[in-house]
Amino acid sequence: DTGVSQDPRHKITKRGQNVTFRCDPISEHNRLYWYRQTLGQGPEFLTYFQNEAQLEKSRLLSDRFSAERPKGSFSTLEIQRTEQGDSAMYLCASSSLLAGDYNEQFFGPGTRLTVL
Amino acid sequence: GQNIDQPTEMTATEGAIVQINCTYQTSGFNGLFWYQQHAGEAPTFLSYNVLDGLEEKGRFSSFLSRSKGYSYLLLKELQMKDSASYLCAVWDSNYQLIWGAGTKLIIKP
Repeated sequence: DTGVSQDPRHKITKRGQNVTFRCDPISEHNRLYWYRQTLGQGPEFLTYFQNEAQLEKSRLLSDRFSAERPKGSFSTLEIQRTEQGDSAMYLCASSSLLAGDYNEQFFGPGTRLTVL
Repeated sequence: GQNIDQPTEMTATEGAIVQINCTYQTSGFNGLFWYQQHAGEAPTFLSYNVLDGLEEKGRFSSFLSRSKGYSYLLLKELQMKDSASYLCAVWDSNYQLIWGAGTKLIIKP
């Protein structure tokens, strides 16, 4: 059982550069979530997919953020023209919402982004 | 708006019992989760409550009162490895998880 994996684990970039993160969910999970977490705060919802369809996107998410899940398996999160305020841990989680299930989300190790 | 409140930090002694409270105001309710998060790591699932009452799982128990918008996580026989942040999250009417900021639990010998 490989669990949820994320790549890279750490990313340091200069302000204004574009960055892309990858998430590989647990293989049989149809739901995939992206969160952002800063120190001392809980995860902040960014967006989620059911299979390849992006069903919800946070209103707080600027147009610089985009996510894809082209074949309903792995997902990518891209941040364009990064700003220092984008520095955070980016968490991916997956779940399998079955009838009567409670949608336990399994988290990956996260990608820590530092924007200089 | 949607709001989840937890204490920022708590301290307890190894071997003791601690109760971490969580109050919530959300648009709808489809269940409440508790997650544990060690520093620098991802959250891991501890418990889920959707009906009123107490759910017990080993040293950890979680309680829910939907009428009061209140839950608590009870940790017994505390061990040093229980030092972590404990996150309360509510599954709202849109089936989104709304997260609290977490309670940092410090265990002292």
